[in-house]
Amino acid sequence: AQSVSQHNHHVILSEAASLELGCNYSYGGTVNLFWYVQYPGQHLQLLLKYFSGDPLVKGIKGFEAEFIKSKFSFNLRKPSVQWSDTAEYFCAVNGGSSSNTGKLIFGQGTTLQVKP
Amino acid sequence: DAGVTQSPTHLIKTRGQQVTLRCSPKSGHDTVSWYQQALGQGPQFIFQYYEEEERQRGNFPDRFSGHQFPNYSSELNVNALLLGDSALYLCASSLVGQLNQPQHFGDGTRLSIL
Repeated sequence: AQSVSQHNHHVILSEAASLELGCNYSYGGTVNLFWYVQYPGQHLQLLLKYFSGDPLVKGIKGFEAEFIKSKFSFNLRKPSVQWSDTAEYFCAVNGGSSSNTGKLIFGQGTTLQVKP
Repeated sequence: DAGVTQSPTHLIKTRGQQVTLRCSPKSGHDTVSWYQQALGQGPQFIFQYYEEEERQRGNFPDRFSGHQFPNYSSELNVNALLLGDSALYLCASSLVGQLNQPQHFGDGTRLSIL
């Protein structure tokens, strides 16, 4: 079955600490991978995406993620978090072949709380 | 450039009632997907509409139905509401075939069932 698993449900960090959020997926075939962020009171916004090429992708606000195909993983990282990074983070996948509709499968989300 | 807009923002209903949620896609997009996000969970795909037809459906009962209009806007209808239908309902728009482009999400409609 197609699924996305995020290992950390709730992460608490101090400002300037490094961040890594785990994401593993189960999906047969070509995939596109996404990280979305939901700031308090705001809509889901795209942080970054991977669909082909360099497995290390850079997104907005200093975030990056690495696609490791052999591990079916797409972990999100940031070297130094800020208080403004407090939000909920979702990993998502869709099928990359032309027969797919773009339906997104989401992980359960990770709540990140950054203490000033 | 207008993003995805959803209405209403909040809605309170009682069990057994029916509800209609509305969505206008981002300008230039032709495909609308609906997701249900229960508290503490990630969004779950309900269905997707393109060319006024349901293109794909997730694991949701027939009580959930939808419609897409010629201007690409969409409605989500839920009949015979249950307590478990309480959730944030998200609409996302995209351009057909652009699988490596992100879907754009609206702010959602928070539905509470009493």
